[in-house]
Amino acid sequence: EPEVTQTPSHQVTQMGQEVILRCVPISNHLYFYWYRQILGQKVEFLVSFYNNEISEKSEIFDDQFSVERPDGSNFTLKIRSTKLEDSAMYFCASKGGQGDGYTFGSGTRLTVV
Amino acid sequence: AQSVTQPDIHITVSEGASLELRCNYSYGATPYLFWYVQSPGQGLQLLLKYFSGDTLVQGIKGFEAEFKRSQSSFNLRKPSVHWSDAAEYFCATLRQAAGNKLTFGGGTRVLVKP
Repeated sequence: EPEVTQTPSHQVTQMGQEVILRCVPISNHLYFYWYRQILGQKVEFLVSFYNNEISEKSEIFDDQFSVERPDGSNFTLKIRSTKLEDSAMYFCASKGGQGDGYTFGSGTRLTVV
Repeated sequence: AQSVTQPDIHITVSEGASLELRCNYSYGATPYLFWYVQSPGQGLQLLLKYFSGDTLVQGIKGFEAEFKRSQSSFNLRKPSVHWSDAAEYFCATLRQAAGNKLTFGGGTRVLVKP
């Protein structure tokens, strides 16, 4: 069964450093997403991406965040200058069409120290 | 704005007993509804989804859910729980608009007693 792959599975970074979280969505999918889950809290939407542009973003997704689909297979989330409160599990997801369900990756646990 | 409520934060059930997890949604139109399961340290796995049609939906791992428009509910059920069902369960709804983003409930953590 096709999978969404996320790397790394864990990342520890110092406050103020840039991080890039990587995702390889399912190859024929058209819609791409990032969600995050702070420990003990609900899963929150960050951003959706379709047709090579952001289609919607949440209030969390401020200027410190950016997404990119550089080569038609990878989908990355960059945090420019990490803060302690960015520590969370970050999930990538993709879906094929409007009526399809999401497929989530297994997540990247980001710890900012 | 749409929202999803899972009233039970924790549920403890004995192995072999039945399980029901509650989910209520707030959304003007007929929503798309999902149940996901997250095992410790793992990602989110889709159990089942409801878009339209038969209101009783069968999913993987022996789970089913019933959409009840009159109660704005989409409760998840399993007749006989296995120890491997211990996990966190999330109900979610999808808004068919720009971005098609999922809105998640707060989750219900299920503990299974031997």
